[in-house]
Amino acid sequence: AQKITQTQPGMFVQEKEAVTLDCTYDTSDPSYGLFWYKQPSSGEMIFLIYQGSYDQQNATEGRYSLNFQKARKSANLVISASQLGDSAMYFCAMREVTGFQKLVFGTGTRLLVSP
Amino acid sequence: GAGVSQSPSNKVTEKGKDVELRCDPISGHTALYWYRQSLGQGLEFLIYFQGNSAPDKSGLPSDRFSAERTGGSVSTLTIQRTQQEDSAVYLCASSLTGGTDNEKLFFGSGTQLSVL
Repeated sequence: AQKITQTQPGMFVQEKEAVTLDCTYDTSDPSYGLFWYKQPSSGEMIFLIYQGSYDQQNATEGRYSLNFQKARKSANLVISASQLGDSAMYFCAMREVTGFQKLVFGTGTRLLVSP
Repeated sequence: GAGVSQSPSNKVTEKGKDVELRCDPISGHTALYWYRQSLGQGLEFLIYFQGNSAPDKSGLPSDRFSAERTGGSVSTLTIQRTQQEDSAVYLCASSLTGGTDNEKLFFGSGTQLSVL
């Protein structure tokens, strides 16, 4: 069974600093996808970044990058140059590909960016 | 509208009543998911529909919960004999096929269910 673990319930960072949000996963499927979503206080779920298990390079999307370490089964999200608007809940998620599997989410990390 | 639509946005009910929550996915999306999010918590998977396959019901917390997807489009999540612990935001999401690893989910704005 697939499993996602986010061990940081809360993180604090100062504006303009970089922050890393941790995510580890467990799967026996050789083919899978990893996602990060942001959920601001408004409640909407916003897709941030995707990493495929066979991708050779770490994914990047603007200020977001994914530090993918396949052997360690980790997919940490790095936010560079934090902004006040980055304050939100961040969820890591994984989908195993074999058999049209569902997307499973971690418990989330609440990020607070201070001025 | 082009997005995932959920109704109602808010539902207040009395303990013991049945409720129905509706989700209208993005047109053409064959995969549909229901998640539950309790206050300040993560997303708890409930049920997943993928095309015409039998749904993955492994996340439904009890037999009071059921869901249907008619005609491969609109889905209804039904909670019978609601309990106070059912109070949460119920999120629906859809994706194009559910069959590729890079397919992101598009979420609706959720239904806030309050059981008094």
